[in-house]
Amino acid sequence: EDKVVQSPLSLVVHEGDTVTLNCSYEVTNFRSLLWYKQEKKAPTFLFMLTSSGIEKKSGRLSSILDKKELSSILNITATQTGDSAIYLCAVEQASGTYKYIFGTGTRLKVLA
Amino acid sequence: DAGVIQSPRHEVTEMGQEVTLRCKPISGHDYLFWYRQTMMRGLELLIYFNNNVPIDDSGMPEDRFSAKMPNASFSTLKIQPSEPRDSAVYFCASRPTGSAGANVLTFGAGSRLTVL
Repeated sequence: EDKVVQSPLSLVVHEGDTVTLNCSYEVTNFRSLLWYKQEKKAPTFLFMLTSSGIEKKSGRLSSILDKKELSSILNITATQTGDSAIYLCAVEQASGTYKYIFGTGTRLKVLA
Repeated sequence: DAGVIQSPRHEVTEMGQEVTLRCKPISGHDYLFWYRQTMMRGLELLIYFNNNVPIDDSGMPEDRFSAKMPNASFSTLKIQPSEPRDSAVYFCASRPTGSAGANVLTFGAGSRLTVL
C-alpha cells in the first residue's frame, strides 16, 4: 500500500531555533514530492522536488529530496511565531493520471 | 484568478440529513480532487476527476458518499444520510495538466462539516 509518513508528529520550539521536519514515502510511480504549510485554513504550497540532492530555498525555509532513501527534509532556520503551522508532505504519483498522497503532517508550534 | 472556491465554509447539520458541498476549480485546471481532513487521519483522498470524469473513487468511505462533476467549472460532494463520524474539513483542490512545473495542487479554503 502506498504511504507517506512524516515525523515528528508535533514539535514545540522557541523563536530562533532551527527545525528539521522529515518525510519518508513508499509510493509507486513517484513523480514529485511537495511540501505545504497549513495554518488555519487551506494548505499553501511551499516546494516541489523532483530530483535528488538539489536544494530548494525560500527565505529561511529549504528542502531537499533523497530518492535513494525515499525521503525528504524541510528545514526552517531562525524560526518565528509565524512559522507555527501544520507542515504537510505529499507525493505525486503519475501513471496515466495524477494522484497525491499526503502524510498526516507535522504540527509545529514556535513559542515567543 | 479567484482560486478554488468552496461553499459552504461551515455547515452544521443533524444526523440523517443530506449534505452537499460545492467546489469551483481554477479555470483551465482539468484535475479536481476532494479530500477530507481529520486530526486522526490527516488528509485523505476521497475521489478525483480528470476532464470531469471520475478516475479513482476508492477513497470514498461508503455508499453514503457520492461526487459529481457535471462540467469543468463545478463539482459537488454529497453525503446522504450524514453521520457524526463524517464531521471533518472537506477540501477541494485542482491542478492543470502539464509538465513537471505545473503539477502544484491548489486548495480551496475548505468546508467544515459538523454532524450532530
